[in-house]
Amino acid sequence: LAKTTQPISMDSYEGQEVNITCSHNNIATNDYITWYQQFPSQGPRFIIQGYKTKVTNEVASLFIPADRKSSTLSLPRVSLSDTAVYYCLVGRFYNQGGKLIFGQGTELSVKP
Amino acid sequence: GAVVSQHPSWVICKSGTSVKIECRSLDFQATTMFWYRQFPKQSLMLMATSNEGSKATYEQGVEKDKFLINHASLTLSTLTVTSAHPEDSSFYICSAKGTNEKLFFGSGTQLSVL
Repeated sequence: LAKTTQPISMDSYEGQEVNITCSHNNIATNDYITWYQQFPSQGPRFIIQGYKTKVTNEVASLFIPADRKSSTLSLPRVSLSDTAVYYCLVGRFYNQGGKLIFGQGTELSVKP
Repeated sequence: GAVVSQHPSWVICKSGTSVKIECRSLDFQATTMFWYRQFPKQSLMLMATSNEGSKATYEQGVEKDKFLINHASLTLSTLTVTSAHPEDSSFYICSAKGTNEKLFFGSGTQLSVL
């Protein structure tokens, strides 16, 4: 299972763009990269998923370089409600027995 | 999007009693569900993988006789904490595998053992 490394914490202000980078040097060929958001006392919420290049949805963008050894979650114009822990996960589970392991996550604090 | 319902949201029990937590996939069939636990200010720790119709696979260090998992249908998995003790107090979260390698999570259950 590919191990991920993220900054433990980040601070930002409302309206700014936030980029959180995750390192996953031993990512396997068939691994996907997925980001989740978690608020206190809640289950994680899916944000975005990608395999290579760039993926964009209504809430975020995910940038993945050609070597796939890292990925960057980009949150445009954050608000106070984006204060949460963000987890980068790498893995696949097409076959029985596959699973996703959570790393430490990045605690994002958005200030007014 | 896919919805995973988890009940109860919180439970308080006496030491030595058992507690059952339910996890349901509401609008999709989940052949595989996962159970995590989370202590305050820490990340989620995978406890076990639950496959419909077969025995759960537990992670190293997780006592299978203490944390009983049943996945009897494609939409329901249950976790029973048997003979609970204060050290079992934690936030338990279930998840179900949807399509395209996405995991959908329940809202979690806060267990407090007195």
